[in-house]
Amino acid sequence: GEDVEQSLFLSVREGDSSVINCTYTDSSSTYLYWYKQEPGAGLQLLTYIFSNMDMKQDQRLTVLLNKKDKHLSLRIADTQTGDSAIYFCAEYTGKLIFGQGTTLQVKP
Amino acid sequence: NAGVTQTPKFQVLKTGQSMTLQCAQDMNHEYMSWYRQDPGMGLRLIHYSVGAGITDQGEVPNGYNVSRSTTEDFPLRLLSAAPSQTSVYFCASSYGRRAGNTIYFGEGSWLTVV
Repeated sequence: GEDVEQSLFLSVREGDSSVINCTYTDSSSTYLYWYKQEPGAGLQLLTYIFSNMDMKQDQRLTVLLNKKDKHLSLRIADTQTGDSAIYFCAEYTGKLIFGQGTTLQVKP
Repeated sequence: NAGVTQTPKFQVLKTGQSMTLQCAQDMNHEYMSWYRQDPGMGLRLIHYSVGAGITDQGEVPNGYNVSRSTTEDFPLRLLSAAPSQTSVYFCASSYGRRAGNTIYFGEGSWLTVV
């Protein structure tokens, strides 16, 4: 079956790196995504990685994919207070399946 | 190019009332879907459609109906609202099932059932 798991909460200090982890179960996933949701707002696509890639870097964001372990991570370098939000990972297997979301708290 | 448009943004319903959440996209996308978002549960797929005239159930379809008479529109109907349907609803669309990197979301519809 399809299942995506995330830890629910992460707290970091401003300027530190944040690492948000995600595990998934469906090995037929073609794309894996990270979305950001700020309070009262919709979902914003941050980045995505195709399943045949190991890593993707996009400015402060680094996505790592371990396909063998079905593990996905999002690293945010130099975390800022504006990065405080809920981060969702999602896998695409013909439809999008989301994790529960990780609330990132950035302390000044 | 408006993207994905959802209406209404906020709605309060009484138990047993019916209503329709509207979703429209102007990108000629084949694939459209509805999600609900509840605290601590992420987004769960309600129904989806791979093209006009074709719909299918997602993870949590009970209590909801959909139709896809045109490529542009994918309304979500609550036939008899229940408090358990209090949630935030998101509509999404993409060009096709393989084009996973072009999924667009609407801004969400906040629904409260009292």
